[in-house]
Amino acid sequence: DVKVTQSSRYLVKRTGEKVFLECVQDMDHENMFWYRQDPGLGLRLIYFSYDVKMKEKGDIPEGYSVSREKKERFSLILESASTNQTSMYLCATNEQGRKNIQYFGAGTRLSVL
Amino acid sequence: QKEVEQNSGPLSVPEGAIASLNCTYSDRGSQSFFWYRQYSGKSPELIMFIYSNGDKEDGRFTAQLNKASQYVSLLIRDSQPSDSATYLCAVVGDNFNKFYFGSGTKLNVKP
Repeated sequence: DVKVTQSSRYLVKRTGEKVFLECVQDMDHENMFWYRQDPGLGLRLIYFSYDVKMKEKGDIPEGYSVSREKKERFSLILESASTNQTSMYLCATNEQGRKNIQYFGAGTRLSVL
Repeated sequence: QKEVEQNSGPLSVPEGAIASLNCTYSDRGSQSFFWYRQYSGKSPELIMFIYSNGDKEDGRFTAQLNKASQYVSLLIRDSQPSDSATYLCAVVGDNFNKFYFGSGTKLNVKP
């Protein structure tokens, strides 16, 4: 069984705080992704990484950065949290290649006050 | 322009009926197609995947792919109240890395 673990289920932060969301996978997958999910907007890709120290911007990277120092860990960083970053954040992972099922973590519901 | 389109619903069906969920996509080069189920407040979980034209069956679920018409559908036979959830369609392009998700169809199965 693939296990994708997100460090927090619920998080409450204040505007301007630096926020770290951590994701760890145990399946040695190359690819890791960060999405946010908002009602009516579906899943939107923030960043993804296809190897250690490699990253690519997704559709909505503004206000976010990422770090991948080890293959199993992918961190999402909100440098200065704002209220419009209140959302559900989902980490996902998959192998590279055609049969590339994406597996999701449980999600982190972040509220920025 | 959205890459993947789904009717947001809600789609209501009585228990025991067939639920039909549809998805269209814009990239003709898309290679892999997935259906995820997401319960309220939970993360998406994989239901089906399909790579080739035609039908693929797994228990009560059938995925159908028509690449010429650029649509993929999910049929749920003998629908149960526990099937009530939002169903997300996901499509992967020819680089095999980037997933495009639809915004989901909410399904309600009434007892």
